Amino acid sequence: GENVEQHPSTLSVQEGDSAVIKCTYSDSASNYFPWYKQELGKRPQLIIDIRSNVGEKKDQRIAVTLNKTAKHFSLHITETQPEDSAVYFCAARRRANAGGTSYGKLTFGQGTILTVHP
Amino acid sequence: KAGVTQTPRYLIKTRGQQVTLSCSPISGHRSVSWYQQTPGQGLQFLFEYFSETQRNKGNFPGRFSGRQFSNSRSEMNVSTLELGDSALYLCASRTSPSTDTQYFGPGTRLTVL
Repeated sequence: GENVEQHPSTLSVQEGDSAVIKCTYSDSASNYFPWYKQELGKRPQLIIDIRSNVGEKKDQRIAVTLNKTAKHFSLHITETQPEDSAVYFCAARRRANAGGTSYGKLTFGQGTILTVHP
Repeated sequence: KAGVTQTPRYLIKTRGQQVTLSCSPISGHRSVSWYQQTPGQGLQFLFEYFSETQRNKGNFPGRFSGRQFSNSRSEMNVSTLELGDSALYLCASRTSPSTDTQYFGPGTRLTVL
């Protein structure tokens, strides 16, 4: 089955610096890659996602890049702020096929604890 | 639109007991997935339901089961609880299994003593 490796497990940066989190996946048929942010005691919230037909996607200070050949994707946060401190999870899914007989499940990385120091 | 809701939010049980957790998806969402979150294992997929049928299953023992009702609400049941079942159980809903984006509920924190 799918395996998703996420690095680093912890990341500490100064406010205003950039943060990069990297994930690799094993299933070459995976074509959907979301990133979730989970604050302490809260639910995981989708912050950005990318599909395999796109190499990069940006949303304000957050960007995700995908390298299908190498089977890895990364989350980039620029101009970090203390409120960016949270656990970030990457995930990968093989999408359900057109016939609806394959229902892809999300496989998550182990998470990265990001701490942004003021 | 109201988000995904889960009840109860907190639960304390003892070993050997069974527990039932409930999840109400976002209105219009017919697919519900369940995940177990623990510090050691991270977020692990339990199963997904769509149209009252289990469509996908993770690598959990048969003590973990679920069902979905005609209104898309879902329940999961854990029988013969073990200490290792202590976790945050999250459900997530999406429109259908062919829709990528899914939204999580707040979770049920289960503690097994």
